[in-house]
Amino acid sequence: AQKVTQAQTEISVVEKEDVTLDCVYETRDTTYYLFWYKQPPSGELVFLIRRNSFDEQNEISGRYSWNFQKSTSSFNFTITASQVVDSAVYFCALISTSGTYKYIFGTGTRLKVLA
Amino acid sequence: EAGVVQSPRYKIIEKKQPVAFWCNPISGHNTLYWYLQNLGQGPELLIRYENEEAVDDSQLPKDRFSAERLKGVDSTLKIQPAELGDSAVYLCASSPGSLGEAFFGQGTRLTVV
Repeated sequence: AQKVTQAQTEISVVEKEDVTLDCVYETRDTTYYLFWYKQPPSGELVFLIRRNSFDEQNEISGRYSWNFQKSTSSFNFTITASQVVDSAVYFCALISTSGTYKYIFGTGTRLKVLA
Repeated sequence: EAGVVQSPRYKIIEKKQPVAFWCNPISGHNTLYWYLQNLGQGPELLIRYENEEAVDDSQLPKDRFSAERLKGVDSTLKIQPAELGDSAVYLCASSPGSLGEAFFGQGTRLTVV
């Protein structure tokens, strides 16, 4: 069975602090894809990143960075120098390539960045 | 380029009444998803279409929910009859392919009273 766990329900940080959102996944497949989405207060989920299981290189995009470690089945997301506009709910998701390619989301982490 | 369009944005109905949601995906996206999102939870897949074919509807409560995607473009999701527990946000998303990033609409917030 596939599963995505985001153990952090809510995180509060002060602006300019760095923050890491954890994501742990479970799958028996060797080929799979991992995603991060942002859901601001407006409600529309916004795609942030997609990684496949064969590419473990960390990725940096501006203030965002992602650390993918197959050994620990984790795909963590770090925001450097957080800003108030980063306040949102962040979801980690998984697609495995066996079966029906089911898109599975975690329960999300609510990030509050305080001015 | 226009994003995924859903309507209505909000709907309030009495229990046992029918309700329908409409979704217009991004042009050229073959994959279309309907998700249900309860407060404080992640999206849960209801049904996935590849063109006009429903390839995964295992999570759709077929006794009261139905969906269609005519001509592989627009899609509708229907609930009949609605129950109090159906109150949630219904999200539509589309993707260029079944393994790609999904583009979401703003959702329809359903309240059943």
